[in-house]
Amino acid sequence: QVQLQESGPGLVRPSETLSLTCTVSGVAISDNYWTWIRQPPGKGLEWIGYVHDSGTATYNPSLKTRVTISLGTSKNQFSLRLNSVTAADTAVYFCARENGWNFESWGQGILVTVSS
Amino acid sequence: DIVMTQSPDSLAVSLGERATINCKSSQSVLYSPNIENYLAWYQQKPGQPPKLLISWASNRESGVPERFSGSGSGTDFTLTISSLQAEDVAVYYCQQYYNSPRTFGQGTKLEI
Repeated sequence: QVQLQESGPGLVRPSETLSLTCTVSGVAISDNYWTWIRQPPGKGLEWIGYVHDSGTATYNPSLKTRVTISLGTSKNQFSLRLNSVTAADTAVYFCARENGWNFESWGQGILVTVSS
Repeated sequence: DIVMTQSPDSLAVSLGERATINCKSSQSVLYSPNIENYLAWYQQKPGQPPKLLISWASNRESGVPERFSGSGSGTDFTLTISSLQAEDVAVYYCQQYYNSPRTFGQGTKLEI
């Protein structure tokens, strides 16, 4: 059974960097697209981007200048870094597995609040 | 970007009745070489991540009740719940995977 779990700080100060890690179990990192999606409180879903097991990453143009998604040093992890955060980046951040088409496995999500 | 627009934003349906949610894409998500629509439907309950219900516009995922069905092609799609159950109360999203960035509809809140 595939499981994903997000971890990281729940509070980030404005202008700083948001850093999250997703730990994957039950499946190898290979042959999938490891994705970050966020959801502001009470709002809809926004795709942030993904990293393929080759290490190649693709990002939402709306965030491209501030975001990095990479495979972790541990073989079963991948990470998200979002620079220069503002209150608009406050959201539940989900990691997910895309099979090349749709998001078939999701983490439970982690709420990250941007506030001083 | 492909813009996904759902209607209505919210919907109240009685138990046992039919619920219909519409999704329109700003450009076709039908890939001609394989004649597949690159569209999925998700269900999200409060405090939970979205759950994949339907892929390829009409293929129900394993374990999803038969009362859920998807239809449509090109730019216009529909999610139908044939006989609403209490556990179907949720927000439903459509999503295109025709190209990047992946985009979602704004969501439809389904209530009883």
